[in-house]
Amino acid sequence: KAGVTQTPRYLIKTRGQQVTLSCSPISGHRSVSWYQQTPGQGLQFLFEYFSETQRNKGNFPGRFSGRQFSNSRSEMNVSTLELGDSALYLCASSPLGGVPGNTEAFFGQGTRLTVV
Amino acid sequence: GEDVEQSLFLSVREGDSSVINCTYTDSSSTYLYWYKQEPGAGLQLLTYIFSNMDMKQDQRLTVLLNKKDKHLSLRIADTQTGDSAIYFCAETDTGGFKTIFGAGTRLFVKA
Repeated sequence: KAGVTQTPRYLIKTRGQQVTLSCSPISGHRSVSWYQQTPGQGLQFLFEYFSETQRNKGNFPGRFSGRQFSNSRSEMNVSTLELGDSALYLCASSPLGGVPGNTEAFFGQGTRLTVV
Repeated sequence: GEDVEQSLFLSVREGDSSVINCTYTDSSSTYLYWYKQEPGAGLQLLTYIFSNMDMKQDQRLTVLLNKKDKHLSLRIADTQTGDSAIYFCAETDTGGFKTIFGAGTRLFVKA
């Protein structure tokens, strides 16, 4: 079956702009989590959605937001982009999220965002 | 708050064993994971261990958990060049909805 699909794979934006990233989970998976990966900070949890509801949120400013649609596809939006937002954004899907669902989390290849 | 720490680099010779170490702070962690990330790819779950286990073996991989010291290790036996990647240690809180990752250990395997 198809894996987790993230689009676009690469993106270049300028400071102050906003960006929307998309994640299509594995069919049947209802939980989608988003992570930011940077060389200095490693992998940081952004938020997790389940059945169109945000269930958990990491320590990121309000410029970072997300949503999930009825088909479980999720989008992440970053407004007023800053240079420090340059990172690889990964999403992970799992059937239910939570324990033990997290043991079946599958990651997409990520969207590499560069802010100039 | 929760924190997961691991060393950033490890270099081994092909055929040797690799041991990647990780410490975590959340004593309520339920699951602890090891993920592998190859260049240009997303994260791939390698193995996981429940917090009530001491050891888990899966082919060339051995996970050791010292819950008292909050220390987790991943041993890769007979390390191959294809094992070169970044290895992430991660732990899940009791709810299991938020997974905290370490910064990743980059494993270099020399032929």
